[in-house]
Amino acid sequence: EIVLTQSPATLSLSPGERATLSCRASQSVRSNLGWYQQKPGQAPRLLIYGASTRATGIPASFSGSGSGTEFTLTISSLRSEDFAVYYCQHYDDWPPTFGQGTKVEIK
Amino acid sequence: QVQLQESGPGLVKPSQTLSLTCTVSGYSVHSDGVYWSWLRQPAGKGLEWIGRFSSSGGTNYSPSLQSRVTISVDASKNQFSLRLTSVTAADTAVYYCARGWYDSGSGNYYPSGEWGRGTLVTVSA
Repeated sequence: EIVLTQSPATLSLSPGERATLSCRASQSVRSNLGWYQQKPGQAPRLLIYGASTRATGIPASFSGSGSGTEFTLTISSLRSEDFAVYYCQHYDDWPPTFGQGTKVEIK
Repeated sequence: QVQLQESGPGLVKPSQTLSLTCTVSGYSVHSDGVYWSWLRQPAGKGLEWIGRFSSSGGTNYSPSLQSRVTISVDASKNQFSLRLTSVTAADTAVYYCARGWYDSGSGNYYPSGEWGRGTLVTVSA
């Protein structure tokens, strides 16, 4: 089973700042990685798949990069609605696994 | 637009069987090119896959749960169900059903873009 490690666990930033979230895989997942956003009491929302392709309706302020074992989710300028928990998930083989999450909180 | 809705008991006794149903509207559960999943999330913790199925890709279960889990489909009702036997307190979680795209050519199961709202299941005597 592939282990995904996200860092940092918590990111404290102000609105308007840039957020950079990392996800490292225990072995190569090629570009088969996605990112989700989850707010309290809500289901996860798909942001990115294929490491860098935005899902339908996702604003351009969200971007993903990386391949192999190192991936990054960047939020170019944080808005109030972006403060949430973010998970990466690989789908290179079964079972797909999730990282433990990065909480982006208001500083 | 596809919608998914989980339903089932919110309280299950230890050692009994957890049974949940996902009712799908706006899309057929037997359509090609998609897969349907169950996932769960204990309070304050991360997400865990339980299992998935697709018309062309078959069914896969989490290795840690496969001895206790069954996913089945009722095409006449456009529903799919989860059955988890011999539950313990560790199975207490919010359970989600979800839909994702499956590319039979590449074998890729893309991340799920549509989710139900989730249903909390508590295992307690």
